[in-house]
Amino acid sequence: DIVLTQSPATLSVTPGESVSLSCRASQGISTSIHWYQQKSNESPRLLIKYASQSISGIPSRFSGSGSGTDFTLSINRVESEDFSVYYCQQSYSLPRTFGAGTKLELK
Amino acid sequence: EVQLVESGGGLVKPGSSLKLSCVASGFTFSSYGMHWIRQAPKKGLEWIALIYYDSSNKYYADSVKGRFTISRDNSKNTLYLEMNSLRSEDTAMYYCVYGGYWYFDFWGPGTMVTVSS
Repeated sequence: DIVLTQSPATLSVTPGESVSLSCRASQGISTSIHWYQQKSNESPRLLIKYASQSISGIPSRFSGSGSGTDFTLSINRVESEDFSVYYCQQSYSLPRTFGAGTKLELK
Repeated sequence: EVQLVESGGGLVKPGSSLKLSCVASGFTFSSYGMHWIRQAPKKGLEWIALIYYDSSNKYYADSVKGRFTISRDNSKNTLYLEMNSLRSEDTAMYYCVYGGYWYFDFWGPGTMVTVSS
């Protein structure tokens, strides 16, 4: 199975800061990585597909990059509604796997 | 508007069975692969099963293989997850998820399954 390692586990920021969240795959997966946001007591929401492709309805401050084994989700100027847990997921092979998540919290 | 509504969760004893349902609307259900994904309390996300649009292929996580069965009824726009030999580690929120085979476009609100004696 492909293991996804997300770092850091927790990121404490103030609104207005820009941040980068990391996801590293245990083997090369091209751009078969997708990002989700999960707010407290809500279902996850798709943010970015195939490493960098935007999703309709998602604010433009969210962007993704990377290929191979190293991927990044960037949030330009964090807003209060962005404090959530973020997960990466790979679709290179079955079983589909997720990273353990990065919690973005208010400093 | 896409809607997925799960049902069938509850409190059950170890070793028992449960069948979850998910009614879909707002998209052509019969054209899309569907998934079940679960999340244990305070834990991360675990993909557990995928079914192709026509039920021709089904895939499972090792943690549930042989105990869980995914199925669908396209005439009723409904996805199912039959769970047997339930264990305490199966305690989780179970999400019905739509979006094809590679990423997960839309998630239902989930139904909670608690396995405890």
